[in-house]
Amino acid sequence: RKEVEQDPGPFNVPEGATVAFNCTYSNSASQSFFWYRQDCRKEPKLLMSVYSSGNEDGRFTAQLNRASQYISLLIRDSKLSDSATYLCVVNDSGGSNYKLTFGKGTLLTVNP
Amino acid sequence: NAGVMQNPRHLVRRRGQEARLRCSPMKGHSHVYWYRQLPEEGLKFMVYLQKENIIDESGMPKERFSAEFPKEGPSILRIQQVVRGDSAAYFCASTEAGIDTQYFGPGTRLTVL
Repeated sequence: RKEVEQDPGPFNVPEGATVAFNCTYSNSASQSFFWYRQDCRKEPKLLMSVYSSGNEDGRFTAQLNRASQYISLLIRDSKLSDSATYLCVVNDSGGSNYKLTFGKGTLLTVNP
Repeated sequence: NAGVMQNPRHLVRRRGQEARLRCSPMKGHSHVYWYRQLPEEGLKFMVYLQKENIIDESGMPKERFSAEFPKEGPSILRIQQVVRGDSAAYFCASTEAGIDTQYFGPGTRLTVL
């Protein structure tokens, strides 16, 4: 089982659509969870941290289910500028809190 | 407030040459991390350094790769005798001590001919 597994994508949606990304992780001891976005040939940029209580930032909502080892990201009212690869990221614990493990990412294209 | 800086942004080397990649962390950050992203793959952790100390190099290939973060100056990732399989994007990230949100630099794209 891969350490962090994401929907393979790609996702093509029209502007204004709602899109959901799913992610599972294998290390039950992981402590921190994030969604990053990566534009083509650019660096990953932090989109949001993910908390057990769920958190929302404008059009973006992230959820964490520790029992199922599942993380999700929901984008509402998608914009053209949301087109990017979305990376599910988990810290690899086991005593450390720094070793980030990345999923391969899911490519989103928002079409006019 | 400048972010994480990496140079060069693009580096071309022939097989057998050496590649040196530099990373300057964000101001006030003393922890540096290197990741490698192979084509069509996710980022993979390579090494974690603090000033003058390698904390975790479990993701570094056993041979030809080394990293340092001297007391003064940038962190350096060094690849000796490069091979085509080393072609990748190398990203550096930094954090403040004890804070786990990592901020990434723009990366160095290494191409080995």
